[in-house]
Amino acid sequence: EPEVTQTPSHQVTQMGQEVILRCVPISNHLYFYWYRQILGQKVEFLVSFYNNEISEKSEIFDDQFSVERPDGSNFTLKIRSTKLEDSAMYFCASRNNPNTQYFGPGTRLTVL
Amino acid sequence: AQSVAQPEDQVNVAEGNPLTVKCTYSVSGNPYLFWYVQYPNRGLQFLLKYITGDNLVKGSYGFEAEFNKSQTSFHLKKPSALVSDSALYFCAVRDSRAAGNKLTFGGGTRVLVKP
Repeated sequence: EPEVTQTPSHQVTQMGQEVILRCVPISNHLYFYWYRQILGQKVEFLVSFYNNEISEKSEIFDDQFSVERPDGSNFTLKIRSTKLEDSAMYFCASRNNPNTQYFGPGTRLTVL
Repeated sequence: AQSVAQPEDQVNVAEGNPLTVKCTYSVSGNPYLFWYVQYPNRGLQFLLKYITGDNLVKGSYGFEAEFNKSQTSFHLKKPSALVSDSALYFCAVRDSRAAGNKLTFGGGTRVLVKP
């Protein structure tokens, strides 16, 4: 069964550094998402992406964040200058079915 | 605005006993409701959804959920729990009237099934 994959599984970075989190959505899916989960808190929506543009973003998704689909398979989340509070698990999701989003295993980001 | 509440942080149940994980929601329009399960060091796995139609929906691994519009609830159930069902369960909602497709999640309920 096709799955969403994410790399790396764990990323450690220094505050102020740029990070890129990578996702490979399910191959025939057209809608892509990023969510995050700070330890002990809810899973929160960050951004949705369709037809090579952002379709919706949350208040969390400020100018420090950007998303890109650089080729036909990858979907990336870039954080330009990481802060301590960006430490979280970041989940990528994709869908083709009108309603069901399928999630990847997540990337744990630790900002020191 | 859309929101979800999972009133129990943890549910303990003996193996073989029925399992219920509670979820209530709030949306402006009609709800699209989902249950996901998260095992340690794994992503969110889709279990089941309610979009329209029959209020009782069946999903993976013997789980089912009942949509109750009057009580704005979507409780997850399994008639006979297994130790392997021990995991973190998330309820999520999407408002049919919302322009976007984002999911709003509850805080999660940890299920512990004891042998």
